Amino acid sequence: DIQMTQSPSTLSASVGDRVTITCRASQSISSWLAWYQQKPGKAPKVLIYKASSLENGVPSRFSGSGSGTEFTLTISSLQPDDFATYYCQQYSSLITFGQGTRLEIK
Amino acid sequence: EVQLVESGGGLVKPGGSLRLSCAASGFTFSSYNMNWVRQAPGKGLEWVSYISSINIIYYADSVKGRFTISRDNAKNSLYLQMNSLRDEDTAVYYCARSSPAADYLEYWGQGTLVTVSA
Repeated sequence: DIQMTQSPSTLSASVGDRVTITCRASQSISSWLAWYQQKPGKAPKVLIYKASSLENGVPSRFSGSGSGTEFTLTISSLQPDDFATYYCQQYSSLITFGQGTRLEIK
Repeated sequence: EVQLVESGGGLVKPGGSLRLSCAASGFTFSSYNMNWVRQAPGKGLEWVSYISSINIIYYADSVKGRFTISRDNAKNSLYLQMNSLRDEDTAVYYCARSSPAADYLEYWGQGTLVTVSA
């Protein structure tokens, strides 16, 4: 099974900051990686697929990069609506999620 | 508009059974791969099961042999039969549709809570 490890687990930042979340796969997953945003009490929402493709309707301040085993999600200028939990997910072999990164207001 | 609406959650005793349903609308259900994903209280997301448009099925090791996924294309519905339930199966269960080209989860339902407790 492919394991996904996100870092950090919690990230404190301010509105306007640039933040990066990292996701590592236990083996190569090519570019078969998605990023999701989840707010309390809500279902997750896909932001990025195929490592770097922006889902329709997602603001351009979100971007993804990487391939193989190392991936990043970057938010270029944090907005108040961005404080949430973020998950990576591999879909190279079945589906596995990272443990999540909680982005909180500093 | 794509809609996924789960139902069937509730309180069940350890060892009991429950059947979840997911009613799909706004797309050609029979053409899409579907998934169940769960989230224990205060925890992260855990993929549970997958059924393709041609009924290829996979399960997470944690539920293999206890849960059964199925679909009824005539009713635009996805199901999860859960048997031999354990305390650790307590979670919100989400139905999620795969994207057409790959298995990232493009659309999600609102979730249904399953509580396993004596």
